[in-house]
Amino acid sequence: AQSVSQHNHHVILSEAASLELGCNYSYGGTVNLFWYVQYPGQHLQLLLKYFSGDPLVKGIKGFEAEFIKSKFSFNLRKPSVQWSDTAEYFCAVTSYNNNDMRFGAGTRLTVKP
Amino acid sequence: KAGVTQTPRYLIKTRGQQVTLSCSPISGHRSVSWYQQTPGQGLQFLFEYFSETQRNKGNFPGRFSGRQFSNSRSEMNVSTLELGDSALYLCASSAEFNTEAFFGQGTRLTVV
Repeated sequence: AQSVSQHNHHVILSEAASLELGCNYSYGGTVNLFWYVQYPGQHLQLLLKYFSGDPLVKGIKGFEAEFIKSKFSFNLRKPSVQWSDTAEYFCAVTSYNNNDMRFGAGTRLTVKP
Repeated sequence: KAGVTQTPRYLIKTRGQQVTLSCSPISGHRSVSWYQQTPGQGLQFLFEYFSETQRNKGNFPGRFSGRQFSNSRSEMNVSTLELGDSALYLCASSAEFNTEAFFGQGTRLTVV
């Protein structure tokens, strides 16, 4: 079964700093990749997804992620974070034609005003 | 379009009891997946149902079971509750393979 690793447990940034959250997965076949965000007290929301095509994916709220197949990575980026980006971020993967989504441990992002 | 609805939002149960959680997917979605979220283990896949059939199963004991009805609503049952079953149980629905999953608010289960 596939697994997902997120490199950072807790990241603390000041507003306007750039963000990069690492995500690596292990699976030999074709995969679908996701980043979800969980704001305090709210449900998981999709930030962006990759199924196929352009490996640079743009999502909501200025987030983007790049799929690098050779590195089994799908890192999340944002050029300038805001205080409202404070949340927990989850990388997730499903194998192609499957819905058994596997999540990373999550990265808690704290943005200081 | 209504989102994924989970009921109840909160539950407190005693060790040894059983519990049933409910999930109503987004209209038109036929796939429903269940996840357990705990501080120690994170988000773990329990199982997925599609058209009333279990298609995928995670690595949980047989005390965890589920079913899906013809209207795609799903229930999850946990029997002989243990303290370690205390968690946030999340339900997600999707239209088919290779589409995004939409999550509900979850049911917070506390076992005492």
